[in-house]
Amino acid sequence: KAGVTQTPRYLIKTRGQQVTLSCSPISGHRSVSWYQQTPGQGLQFLFEYFSETQRNKGNFPGRFSGRQFSNSRSEMNVSTLELGDSALYLCASSLEAAVPTGELFFGEGSRLTVL
Amino acid sequence: QQQVKQSPQSLIVQKGGISIINCAYENTAFDYFPWYQQFPGKGPALLIAIRPDVSEKKEGRFTISFNKSAKQFSLHIMDSQPGDSATYFCAASKGPLDSSYKLIFGSGTRLLVRP
Repeated sequence: KAGVTQTPRYLIKTRGQQVTLSCSPISGHRSVSWYQQTPGQGLQFLFEYFSETQRNKGNFPGRFSGRQFSNSRSEMNVSTLELGDSALYLCASSLEAAVPTGELFFGEGSRLTVL
Repeated sequence: QQQVKQSPQSLIVQKGGISIINCAYENTAFDYFPWYQQFPGKGPALLIAIRPDVSEKKEGRFTISFNKSAKQFSLHIMDSQPGDSATYFCAASKGPLDSSYKLIFGSGTRLLVRP
């Protein structure tokens, strides 16, 4: 069974640009979560989607947005990039229909560098 | 109340030794406590998890000890091996009555097991 697939794996952007990251969950998984990982802040929750509905969003500015498609694939977008947005963006999927109980399956992440 | 505090930040252990990583939380609504293991260039992967109704859970060389009254839990890696060298994250999530749909992660512990 294929794992969580994230694209692109690496990307470099400049301040003010926008970026779109893509995530394909494990087949049959309907919950998709996004986390930002940085050396200083660790792993921080961005948002969670289930059946195309955003069920929760973390404490990030409105520049961070996401969506989920009917096939459970998800995208996140960051507009007006800032240097501080440089991070590893991790997508995770979960089989459960209700609150994920911690059994998240993570992808390898998209490493974003903002210059 | 949303934090999970993890220590130590880094840990060096000789092969065959015991690695111990500690986490503490404040929010008594947390009822699921997983540990994730992350190798360089990879996403975190679930290692072992525990619920507050048990004080200990063991899977192979990995054991979680849980102290509900002290609001602390720890990961013990017995007979540590160089292949265990990775970053370990504790985490917590709330029960199904909560609609947060997210994990709160500790800051991570970088473990190095020397041959």
